[in-house]
Amino acid sequence: EVQLVESGGTLVQPGGSLRLSCAASGFTFSSYWMHWVRQGPGKGLEWVSRIKSDGSYTAYADSVKGRLTISRDNAKNTLYLQMNSLRGEDTAVYYCARAGSSSWYHLDYWGQGALVTVSS
Amino acid sequence: QSALTQPASVSGSPGQSITISCTGTSSDVGNYNLVSWYQQHPGKAPKVMIYEGSKRPSGVSDRFSGSKSGNTASLTISGLQAEDEADYYCCSYAGSSTFVFGTGTKVTVL
Repeated sequence: EVQLVESGGTLVQPGGSLRLSCAASGFTFSSYWMHWVRQGPGKGLEWVSRIKSDGSYTAYADSVKGRLTISRDNAKNTLYLQMNSLRGEDTAVYYCARAGSSSWYHLDYWGQGALVTVSS
Repeated sequence: QSALTQPASVSGSPGQSITISCTGTSSDVGNYNLVSWYQQHPGKAPKVMIYEGSKRPSGVSDRFSGSKSGNTASLTISGLQAEDEADYYCCSYAGSSTFVFGTGTKVTVL
């Protein structure tokens, strides 16, 4: 059974930093592109970033470019999101998600989400 | 990277069909046949219902179907059921390895 479990969400002050983790199991993690998607309180989904299966390529939404960094450790089956220079508008539930096995352009499994609150 | 435009809400009675539109631009929806649709119940993670415009993942009811015309993609739910009441989001590949979600549509079963 595919499982994605996020951790690391917490309250952080504006300008602060935080690292989210996503532990993957039930599939060959090193064979899949992975994504982060966020959802602000009462708001819609926003695509944040994705990383290639071997970690050699990354892409970001303009709203987070230069502040958030996606990475992965295939030996530990874990996806990361390093979040720096955090702002109030970064407050959201952050989901990690797996790219589809038959098509890389959709997300077929999602974690339960980790809440990040940016506030003083 | 502007969000794709969806109606805020759509409603229908049990057994009816409803259609949710998703309007983008020639840089995203219109340029790729790579629109996916997600269903999200309150407090839950999203679930993919349609990918590559019209393909259904295994286990998704055939009451859900997708299509595209120009810069607008659509999700149709036939034979509406109470369990279909949820938020629905479209998502399109937008080039340069980026993606964009729609604004979301709340579906209410009357």
